[in-house]
Amino acid sequence: QQQVKQSPQSLIVQKGGIPIINCAYENTAFDYFPWYQQFPGKGSALLIAIRPDVSEKKEGRFTISFNKSAKQFSLHIMDSQPGDSATYFCAASSQAGTALIFGKGTTLSVSS
Amino acid sequence: DVKVTQSSRYLVKRTGEKVFLECVQDMDHENMFWYRQDPGLGLRLIYFSYDVKMKEKGDIPEGYSVSREKKERFSLILESASTNQTSMYLCASSQGVVNQPQHFGDGTRLSIL
Repeated sequence: QQQVKQSPQSLIVQKGGIPIINCAYENTAFDYFPWYQQFPGKGSALLIAIRPDVSEKKEGRFTISFNKSAKQFSLHIMDSQPGDSATYFCAASSQAGTALIFGKGTTLSVSS
Repeated sequence: DVKVTQSSRYLVKRTGEKVFLECVQDMDHENMFWYRQDPGLGLRLIYFSYDVKMKEKGDIPEGYSVSREKKERFSLILESASTNQTSMYLCASSQGVVNQPQHFGDGTRLSIL
């Protein structure tokens, strides 16, 4: 059973566009939702994270929107750049444990 | 900066071999994790460890074992490698407090022939 569903699998946008990656979860005990960014040949790195007590969090050009009632959260990248081309993973965990449940990933390509 | 070092970037082994993947972190983190990453499947947790000599099964532990004799080192063992274990393996570590970011190594691409 996939606990975190991520879409789309791949995404192509032009420079300056706003790619949006969506994730949905089922376990209502989840209360921590990070996004990881992975460049080719590298391990994943934490990009931004949100807790369910807020509906939006911004860090630079990256924004997480969170909808607790719908059990969905999404990543928006403002003014996307070719350097943003990477694979993005959403994840979730609960206070009961530290292991993250990852989505299947979205490969983003930003063309110049 | 946290550094998570995986001993090999690329590894080629034969079916039936016993394979060891090593991971070392330098930030005194309590938690360590082993994932495998496959196209279209994302990162799947194999095993994790909260402390020395402690281990917990993740989502796909079959065919794998782990060892954590020292806090900074977490080893993944393929007891008898099979071709379906060809994958990218990623190690991560985090502090013991809940919901701390996980820091990843650069991965080991393992091919089983």
